[in-house]
Parts: sequence; structure tokens; C-alpha cells
Amino acid sequence: DAKTTQPNSMESNEEEPVHLPCNHSTISGTDYIHWYRQLPSQGPEYVIHGLTSNVNNRMASLAIAEDRKSSTLILHRATLRDAAVYYCILRTGTASKLTFGTGTRLQVTL
Amino acid sequence: ETGVTQSPTHLIKTRGQQVTLRCSSQSGHNTVSWYQQALGQGPQFIFQYYREEENGRGNFPPRFSGLQFPNYSSELNVNALELDDSALYLCASSSGTGNYGYTFGSGTRLTVV
Repeated sequence: DAKTTQPNSMESNEEEPVHLPCNHSTISGTDYIHWYRQLPSQGPEYVIHGLTSNVNNRMASLAIAEDRKSSTLILHRATLRDAAVYYCILRTGTASKLTFGTGTRLQVTL
Repeated sequence: ETGVTQSPTHLIKTRGQQVTLRCSSQSGHNTVSWYQQALGQGPQFIFQYYREEENGRGNFPPRFSGLQFPNYSSELNVNALELDDSALYLCASSSGTGNYGYTFGSGTRLTVV
């Protein structure tokens, strides 16, 4: 499976935008970029996914580099409830599993 | 939508025993996966079932086995429990084997003593 690299931790102030980076230099053409987050004492929660174009949904935006070797999850206005571990995952079109790394622990402060 | 529900939420077992964990998939979902999450680590894929057939397995020994039922609920069975099996076990369901988002349950915390 293609690997992703994320910073171990990031901090943000409430109400400010947060940009969570992910490097995936060995991505293949059929790999989708998925983001999940895991709040304390809960299972992971799907956030967003994309292939080549930038994607937006009610939770976040996903910006994908033109060469697809990196991507950025954007939370437009962080809240205390966004404090979680964020996982960037590559998933091929026909594969079944999600391969989690250790993710980025996001702290949000007042 | 009722989401994914798992039972029990917590469980303590003795080394060598067997355990069965249960999962009810989100309504309309026909694919279920199981993951093991050790403390401080990301979840690790155990296996996946699609329409009652196993269609993917991670690097786990055969003493980890599963079932998916016609109503798409699922069980994870672990035989001959070892201390290292202590972890959070997560069930996730989705509506297909393509690139859809998975819905995870809150997990079962298994402690082996």
C-alpha cells in the first residue's frame, strides 16, 4: 500500500482555518485520497475523499496538488469539537481496506 | 440512519479464552470491515465481508475469524486470546466495495488478563 506522511501534531485557535498537510509521493494513478478523523473515545469518522480535483463538503475541503503527491485537508473555522486525530489514507479503486498511519493530532484552543 | 452499533462496549477476558464481538451495520450497507486499534496507534485492518463472503484480510492469524449474516450484521471471533489482543476493536460498514466512505462504530474495548 502507498504510504502517507503527516505531522504528528498541530495546534490551532478556535474560529481560525486549519490546514492539515499530507504527503503521498508514491501515490499511484488509481489511489483515492481519503481523510478520516477520530474524536476521543469514538471510532473514526469519514471526512472527505478525492482523486484529482479539489473537493468540498459540509465538513471540510480537500485540496489536491497537481502532481497528486500531496494534499491538504482544510477546516475553514476550527471549533473545539474538531480536536481529534486526522488520518490521511490512500485507497485504490478496487481495494477493500483502509491503511491507517498514526495521523495528526489536532489541538484547538480558545 | 441508525449508524453502526457494536456490543459489548467493554469486555475483560482471560488469556486462552475465546471471545465474540458483534456489529450491526448501518441500514443499507452490505459491506463490513473489522479493525484492531492498539493504544496510541491507528486502526489495523483485520478483514472485510461483502454479501456474507470474506473479500479481504489483513495480517492477522487464523484464530481471528468472522461471519456476516444475511441481514449484514457481523461477528468477530478470536480464539486462544493472548495478552497482545488487548485493544479497541472497530467495526465499519459501507454500501459497496468501491470508494465510498465507511461508517465506524464506537468499538469494543477488549482487555485480556
